[in-house]
Amino acid sequence: KAGVTQTPRYLIKTRGQQVTLSCSPISGHRSVSWYQQTPGQGLQFLFEYFSETQRNKGNFPGRFSGRQFSNSRSEMNVSTLELGDSALYLCASSLFSSGVYGSEQFFGPGTRLTVL
Amino acid sequence: AQTVTQSQPEMSVQEAETVTLSCTYDTSESNYYLFWYKQPPSRQMILVIRQEAYKQQNATENRFSVNFQKAAKSFSLKISDSQLGDTAMYFCAFMKHNNNNDMRFGAGTRLTVKP
Repeated sequence: KAGVTQTPRYLIKTRGQQVTLSCSPISGHRSVSWYQQTPGQGLQFLFEYFSETQRNKGNFPGRFSGRQFSNSRSEMNVSTLELGDSALYLCASSLFSSGVYGSEQFFGPGTRLTVL
Repeated sequence: AQTVTQSQPEMSVQEAETVTLSCTYDTSESNYYLFWYKQPPSRQMILVIRQEAYKQQNATENRFSVNFQKAAKSFSLKISDSQLGDTAMYFCAFMKHNNNNDMRFGAGTRLTVKP
């Protein structure tokens, strides 16, 4: 099976712009989670989607949003970019949404966003 | 809120030797999951090992094993017979039971395996 793919891999934007990142999960996986990784804050959970519904959300401002399509592909959008949004954005997919099974999350390579 | 602490920012080990990475966490939950993830340089993060809190037996995956001390809220990773390919950032992570994949990560330990 193909792994989790993320596009684009690298992105440079300027302050105030908006950006959309894409994630394609492993075939058959219905859950997609997004994380932000920065040197200062480490890995932080953004949100999780399962069957096109946002099931959980981390502590991020409303400028960060996402959605999931019927084929489980997910997009993450950041509006009005700030310098502090520069980070590696990781997407992870899993078979199940709930932590009931402690289901393994498979990570993509990430999208490195630089905000100038 | 759950917090995960990895007190060793960097560690190094000689090839073929054993190394232990530390992780402690803080939670009031009784049912949860713990993970160790590996992030090699410029490569994808992969799951190394997983532990269910309700299981007393320590998880083992080939050269990787954990020492899970629930009362002490400690979850250390032991890597035996270290290999050059083990060089990576290692993240300890916590997830509450039934919490929709909201994983909390530690700051990471950068492990270097020296030839």
